[in-house]
Amino acid sequence: KQEVTQIPAALSVPEGENLVLNCSFTDSAIYNLQWFRQDPGKGLTSLLLIQSSQREQTSGRLNASLDKSSGRSTLYIAASQPGDSATYLCAPTGTYKYIFGTGTRLKVLA
Amino acid sequence: DAGITQSPRHKVTETGTPVTLRCHQTENHRYMYWYRQDPGHGLRLIHYSYGVKDTDKGEVSDGYSVSRSKTEDFLLTLESATSSQTSVYFCAISEGGGAYEQYFGPGTRLTVT
Repeated sequence: KQEVTQIPAALSVPEGENLVLNCSFTDSAIYNLQWFRQDPGKGLTSLLLIQSSQREQTSGRLNASLDKSSGRSTLYIAASQPGDSATYLCAPTGTYKYIFGTGTRLKVLA
Repeated sequence: DAGITQSPRHKVTETGTPVTLRCHQTENHRYMYWYRQDPGHGLRLIHYSYGVKDTDKGEVSDGYSVSRSKTEDFLLTLESATSSQTSVYFCAISEGGGAYEQYFGPGTRLTVT
């Protein structure tokens, strides 16, 4: 059974810092890995999808990497802003299922 | 944003009553999912559908049933609601399962008293 862990559970940083969020998973037989953000009281918004054949995917200030063999993915956020404050979730995918971690709650202080 | 709507957005119901939540998509995606989100448990899959009339169970399916009679609609039914089913319910869609991005609806907050 796939288990997903996200560390740290919560993070508070001053505006402008570069930061790294970590995601680890126990079963390396995945299709892809998707990163989401969730604002309080809202649904999940897709940030990036890394295909299993890729090592990295970039979107604006976000860069996600994937190392299937070690069961790890990282989400790098450059020059953090208060608007980045949210919960970030990762989800490695199987044939039809997405298994979610419990997320990292990020607060960026102005 | 993907065209996914959920109704109702909020509902309060009493223990023992049946409840149906609706998910509607305009993207013509094949896969549709129902999750519940609870503090300390994250997102857990209840049921999913891989086509019209094709559904399967997720990890927390007890007490829930689903139906999909049209590509665009996926219904989640609580046959007899219990307080343990108080949660936020999210619908999601994917073009072709785990090989594709998944998109989420805005959620339904259900309270069972």
